[in-house]
Amino acid sequence: GDSVTQMEGPVTLSEEAFLTINCTYTATGYPSLFWYVQYPGEGLQLLLKATKADDKGSNKGFEATYRKETTSFHLEKGSVQVSDSAVYFCALNNAGNMLTFGGGTRLMVKP
Amino acid sequence: GAGVSQSPRYKVAKRGQDVALRCDPISGHVSLFWYQQALGQGPEFLTYFQNEAQLDKSGLPSDRFFAERPEGSVSTLKIQRTQQEDSAVYLCASSLGLGTSNYGYTFGSGTRLTVV
Repeated sequence: GDSVTQMEGPVTLSEEAFLTINCTYTATGYPSLFWYVQYPGEGLQLLLKATKADDKGSNKGFEATYRKETTSFHLEKGSVQVSDSAVYFCALNNAGNMLTFGGGTRLMVKP
Repeated sequence: GAGVSQSPRYKVAKRGQDVALRCDPISGHVSLFWYQQALGQGPEFLTYFQNEAQLDKSGLPSDRFFAERPEGSVSTLKIQRTQQEDSAVYLCASSLGLGTSNYGYTFGSGTRLTVV
């Protein structure tokens, strides 16, 4: 079945550092790929998405490119802020009714 | 309402007790989803409704879990004879579109269930 693997956290960075959170997937066909973010005490929020190979999703300074050849959708940001501290989830939808999530990666940004 | 509302926010149940978790989706959203999120894990799909019809319940872990959405709006997830392994955050999400999540879900803040 479909699966998503993320790098384990926590990832601890200083403010203004470069961020990469790795995500790889296993799926048949051509899934859509997503990054969700969960701030403390809040629900999951869609951060960005890409629906086909080579698409780049972007939002709030975060970017991720759908790489079919490496089955990856790594999340990047050039300069993180303390307010970016949260748990980030990579997910896919493979033409079904549900999202398949990775295990989440906690990001902690120190001033 | 402006967002997806779930209640209660926290629930402590004694093992063997029945619980009911409520989800108020965004008004007009056709699709409604329930997910289970164990501590330190990603959410896992439980069930999906399109209006009042439960079209997919493949993720429900046992027959102790039951979900309904009788009028195509509010949904209730019921767990009978709770067990410790049921302890998790239960997330509800709704979507304006049908089925696939390309329209984007809006998630509620979840209900944290602790079975003691």
